[in-house]
Amino acid sequence: GESVGLHLPTLSVQEGDNSIINCAYSNSASDYFIWYKQESGKGPQFIIDIRSNMDKRQGQRVTVLLNKTVKHLSLQIAATQPGDSAVYFCAEIYPPNDYKLSFGAGTTVTVRA
Amino acid sequence: NAGVTQTPKFQVLKTGQSMTLQCAQDMNHEYMSWYRQDPGMGLRLIHYSVGAGITDQGEVPNGYNVSRSTTEDFPLRLLSAAPSQTSVYFCASSYTARTVNSPLHFGNGTRLTVT
Repeated sequence: GESVGLHLPTLSVQEGDNSIINCAYSNSASDYFIWYKQESGKGPQFIIDIRSNMDKRQGQRVTVLLNKTVKHLSLQIAATQPGDSAVYFCAEIYPPNDYKLSFGAGTTVTVRA
Repeated sequence: NAGVTQTPKFQVLKTGQSMTLQCAQDMNHEYMSWYRQDPGMGLRLIHYSVGAGITDQGEVPNGYNVSRSTTEDFPLRLLSAAPSQTSVYFCASSYTARTVNSPLHFGNGTRLTVT
């Protein structure tokens, strides 16, 4: 848990703009990363994942970038919508503990109308 | 399609009381786990199970017990509640024990307050 952290605890974004949420990790052996979204009163929901042999992966309106040189992970959300308001967590897995996720503290994203 | 179901949603306990948080999944998932979520600390793993009859400790297991008698159920027991156990508890499951390529599905949590 402590090896994964987010740069900023809060992020305010204008509706329609792109959002960038950052995450730093310290374990160079980590080989799998996941982004989760948690809406108020609910459990975390899987957004997108990326393996360490990739630099970029795209989903629907979301892109995850991985920079292994500086141990940095980011989640980009295109055309941010009010429904994107939530807490976003990055999580990592490092061998041999491939059944244990280590979570960062989270970034709260607020979308302004 | 219920997914991961946690009960109760809210609970207030007095110090020293015991209780069981229930978790059930209907997806035939092999792996189940319990996390606690505290402000500013993300989610921390309490206990996990890679299959029926098998459990193991996570990073914060003290004060909690688990058992996995069936594939579907994974209850979390607080033996003697303490104020430090005030938290939101999440149960999660995945198809296989290897979380890589088998993302966790979370329940909606149990908010526990210990006074």
